[in-house]
Amino acid sequence: NAGVTQTPKFRILKIGQSMTLQCAQDMNHNYMYWYRQDPGMGLKLIYYSVGAGITDKGEVPNGYNVSRSTTEDFPLRLELAAPSQTSVYFCASSQQVTSGGSEQFFGPGTRLTVL
Amino acid sequence: LAKTTQPISMDSYEGQEVNITCSHNNIATNDYITWYQQFPSQGPRFIIQGYKTKVTNEVASLFIPADRKSSTLSLPRVSLSDTAVYYCLVAMNSGYSTLTFGKGTMLLVSP
Repeated sequence: NAGVTQTPKFRILKIGQSMTLQCAQDMNHNYMYWYRQDPGMGLKLIYYSVGAGITDKGEVPNGYNVSRSTTEDFPLRLELAAPSQTSVYFCASSQQVTSGGSEQFFGPGTRLTVL
Repeated sequence: LAKTTQPISMDSYEGQEVNITCSHNNIATNDYITWYQQFPSQGPRFIIQGYKTKVTNEVASLFIPADRKSSTLSLPRVSLSDTAVYYCLVAMNSGYSTLTFGKGTMLLVSP
């Protein structure tokens, strides 16, 4: 299994441009997440999804959009990129469990710079 | 979501045992305590999770006192490769968890 994959690894955007960060998982996990991590800080949740067709906002959703048309894919869309969106973006997934907390599996990240 | 407090940084030497304590005074009945490890330029990786008393796996132990207001991650005989940021999180006992990551503890292991 490849686990959680993300593309691209690096990207530089100009202010006002848009792009889609791709995330895919091959573990058949129902739950998927997008986080951003600014330098020296912890991760902040942007959006999450509990299954195909269902998404919800996290702590910092402004400036982003997501969709979940399949179990495997959870793309993150940036519209009108701003310098404040310069960050490292991590996608994660977790399995549905009947009890107990679930482990999240993270992708390698996408480093985005907006100039 | 319960807030966690942990030291910003810790130093250790190879071969020593390292204990990182996390406080979570407002932990809810359904919350689990989870620790993640993050190396530079990588996503976090799950280390261990527990609800009460003691949990041990092949890489770490997690000690949780009866009141569950704190927990201690214990790394036995650390090596240079254990240099990383360690995050303590509390999350609901549910199929998915909207985790809240603090700044974590930067552990530096020296020769």
